[in-house]
Amino acid sequence: AQRVTQPEKLLSVFKGAPVELKCNYSYSGSPELFWYVQYSRQRLQLLLRHISRESIKGFTADLNKGETSFHLKKPFAQEEDSAMYYCALTDMNRDDKIIFGKGTRLHILP
Amino acid sequence: EAGVAQSPRYKIIEKRQSVAFWCNPISGHATLYWYQQILGQGPKLLIQFQNNGVVDDSQLPKDRFSAERLKGVDSTLKIQPAKLEDSAVYLCASSLQAGTSGRWDTQYFGPGTRLTVL
Repeated sequence: AQRVTQPEKLLSVFKGAPVELKCNYSYSGSPELFWYVQYSRQRLQLLLRHISRESIKGFTADLNKGETSFHLKKPFAQEEDSAMYYCALTDMNRDDKIIFGKGTRLHILP
Repeated sequence: EAGVAQSPRYKIIEKRQSVAFWCNPISGHATLYWYQQILGQGPKLLIQFQNNGVVDDSQLPKDRFSAERLKGVDSTLKIQPAKLEDSAVYLCASSLQAGTSGRWDTQYFGPGTRLTVL
């Protein structure tokens, strides 16, 4: 069965320090992975998706099929990065629902 | 462009009462989704529409939940009768159609409706 695991409910990082939000998945098909973000009092929005191989707001994420992971990374945290982050999974090649993880709250300390 | 609109933003009802939520997607978006987000959880897809047809409603509790998108634009989600465990934020999202399902299109979310069932 599809499963997305975000092991940390809360991650506190000092400003300027590196950030890594963990995401592990369980899936037997061709996964497509996403990171969604929700800033305080704002809507849930797409941050990045693995097929785009892009860097958004300094964040990157690499799909590691061997470790079934899609960790979100940023070398230097900024205060505006404080938000709720959700990892999500669907299938690239067939009709399948998108599954969200439970989310990790990132708190950037001044 | 205008975003996904939802109303009401908040609703408090007693168990066994009925409630309805409304969603207006971004103009031109063929795909519309309803999600349930219980506190401390990620969003869970309840139903997905492609135009006015249902693509996936496998996680919709059909004994009490119903949804429609009659003209292929806006949509309503109804709960009748509500239970305590239905307390959650109900999110609507929309996306452009791509491929056979459009599931991998970027989804744009509305602000959500926070439902409290007492």
